Amino acid sequence: EAGVAQSPRYKIIEKRQSVAFWCNPISGHATLYWYQQILGQGPKLLIQFQNNGVVDDSQLPKDRFSAERLKGVDSTLKIQPAKLEDSAVYLCASSSDTLGEQYFGPGTRLTVT
Amino acid sequence: QQQVKQSPQSLIVQKGGISIINCAYENTAFDYFPWYQQFPGKGPALLIAIRPDVSEKKEGRFTISFNKSAKQFSLHIMDSQPGDSATYFCAASDMSLGRLYFGRGTQLTVWP
Repeated sequence: EAGVAQSPRYKIIEKRQSVAFWCNPISGHATLYWYQQILGQGPKLLIQFQNNGVVDDSQLPKDRFSAERLKGVDSTLKIQPAKLEDSAVYLCASSSDTLGEQYFGPGTRLTVT
Repeated sequence: QQQVKQSPQSLIVQKGGISIINCAYENTAFDYFPWYQQFPGKGPALLIAIRPDVSEKKEGRFTISFNKSAKQFSLHIMDSQPGDSATYFCAASDMSLGRLYFGRGTQLTVWP
C-alpha cells in the first residue's frame, strides 16, 4: 500500500512570495490533515478535512494560508504572502476516519528568506 | 497553551539501557495517547498507542505506562539500540474529533 505522498520535498522562497504544497493521501482515506512543524517543536494542526469538507481550521492563519481538498482526495496548501516565520516542515497526514491511525507523509521543508 | 507537555527535551542512553520519556496533559476529554518516532527528513511514524482504559501496553521493547488520575503517560524503551536514535513525540487526542496535540519532542541518542 502506497503511503502519503507530498511534493515538493523542499522549497526556498523569499518573503512575500507565494508557495503551494501538494498532498496525495493513502487511497480510501477520508480524513486528511495538514500540520506545521517548526524546528525543534512537535507538529501543530493547521487544518483537517473529512472528505472534501473542512472539520477544523481554527489554527489556520486565514489571512495568508488557504487549503482545499477537491473531490475528497488530493489536497493543496497555499501560503500567500509568505513570512519568515512560516519557515517550517509542512506535514500531510491521512486516516481512514477520525478514529483511525494517522499516517504521515515525508513533509515539505519550506525556507523563507 | 501547550496541551501536552513532554520531557526531557533530549536524552542520551547507553546501548542496552532503558530510555524513559514522560508526558502530561490537562484535557480530560483526551482518550487516545500515541507515541510517534521521527527520523531526520521523515514524517512521524506511529510507534505505539494506548487508550485510557488500560494502565500499560507493551509491544516488543516499547511500553507505554498510563496514569489516568495523574494525567500522565510515559514511554519506556527497553534494551535501547543505536537504531532507536530518533526524535520521539507523545500526542493526545479526542478520538471523536481526530486532531492530535503533540508534545515538543525528545531527541534520543543511544550510543554504542
